[in-house]
Amino acid sequence: QVQLVQSGAEVKKPGASVMVSCKTSGYTFTTYGITWVRQAPGQGLEWMGWISTYNGNTNYAQKFQGRVTMTTDTSTRTAYMEVRSLRSDDTAMYYCARDISLFQSWGQGTLVTVTS
Amino acid sequence: DIVMTQSPDSLAVSLGERATINCKSSQSVLHSSSNKNYLAWYQQIPGQPPKLLIYWASTRESGVPDRFSGSGSGTDFTLTISSLQAEDVAVYYCHQYYSFPQTFGQGTKVEIK
Repeated sequence: QVQLVQSGAEVKKPGASVMVSCKTSGYTFTTYGITWVRQAPGQGLEWMGWISTYNGNTNYAQKFQGRVTMTTDTSTRTAYMEVRSLRSDDTAMYYCARDISLFQSWGQGTLVTVTS
Repeated sequence: DIVMTQSPDSLAVSLGERATINCKSSQSVLHSSSNKNYLAWYQQIPGQPPKLLIYWASTRESGVPDRFSGSGSGTDFTLTISSLQAEDVAVYYCHQYYSFPQTFGQGTKVEIK
């Protein structure tokens, strides 16, 4: 069955960087892109961007341009998202989801806490 | 960016009664060439990732109970739970995938009255 397994929770200081991984299984990795969505505590869902697992093309939400980088490693079927220059308002649960548009499968989420 | 606005923000419905959630997009999400509305609905139970319920505005995802239905076109959409069950207590989000950046509604919390 399709599975997306994310890396564990992180605690970071303001200004630091964090990399979240999303390891996939159960399907042909390069057939579906990976979308990243975040959710601040008690808040709604925020689309961050998408990466093609086929050719590495990306599309980022403007608010994350220059601060977020999405990559993939086809040899390990893993997607990565790095967020730099972390701020307190980056504290959130970060999810990866399979596909560019219809998110049938999600990772379990990675909680990133930014605190001094 | 397309702004998705849901109403109400929360609602309390008795078990077995109908729950209706509305979603309005700031511009049409109907793709003229395919005649499809690029609109989905997700259910999120606390502590879990979202779950896809409905896509193309009215197509039920496999395994989703038929008490969930979606309707609407263009800019106005509705998610209906025909007979609310205890396990339907959750937050529901509409989502447009018509254009980048994709956007979600703010969410509607459904509770038992």
